Amino acid sequence: GAVVSQHPSWVICKSGTSVKIECRSLDFQATTMFWYRQFPKQSLMLMATSNEGSKATYEQGVEKDKFLINHASLTLSTLTVTSAHPEDSSFYICSASFPLGSYEQYFGPGTRLTVT
Amino acid sequence: GNSVTQMEGPVTLSEEAFLTINCTYTATGYPSLFWYVQYPGEGLQLLLKATKADDKGSNKGFEATYRKETTSFHLEKGSVQVSDSAVYFCALSDHTGTASKLTFGTGTRLQVTL
Repeated sequence: GAVVSQHPSWVICKSGTSVKIECRSLDFQATTMFWYRQFPKQSLMLMATSNEGSKATYEQGVEKDKFLINHASLTLSTLTVTSAHPEDSSFYICSASFPLGSYEQYFGPGTRLTVT
Repeated sequence: GNSVTQMEGPVTLSEEAFLTINCTYTATGYPSLFWYVQYPGEGLQLLLKATKADDKGSNKGFEATYRKETTSFHLEKGSVQVSDSAVYFCALSDHTGTASKLTFGTGTRLQVTL
């Protein structure tokens, strides 16, 4: 149980375009979802936290207008990278937790974004 | 603020060798502690966890004991296999607010050779 999927697993886009990444909890209702960014051979950096039906809380230094997060249902959150640039190329990972306030997170397999 | 410090890698071991990956933390209160593993090209998988002092988390031959007095959560395995080659992340969750954020260490890459 507690499976989280991400789609797509990898995507290549041209500079200036936008790309949407989906994160789904397959067998549970995720009260909270998290989005991380991982640079090569580095740790995970938390970008934002979102609760279903409310606005995401972004970490300091993360551009809200560039990384749009929507958590429209208890099983789906999306991250849209708007006007992508090569420096946005990275591995994006989502996680989900339940019930509200739970300390345990279940991670998706990640999405590799390459901006050319 | 919270922080997690892991020993730097990469760690290279021969198969059947003993593994220790050190992890120490700084946090207010009583955090929960985790070890996650990331295999090449994949997302993170929870390896083991401990939620209070002196708890021992264990899974797949790996163990880690929550030591409050030394603020440590070192990962150990008695006999590693080639299939254990991966990046290991130590993390803590401090249970504050409505969403318990995870703070990760920088990760330690383990390479096991025949």
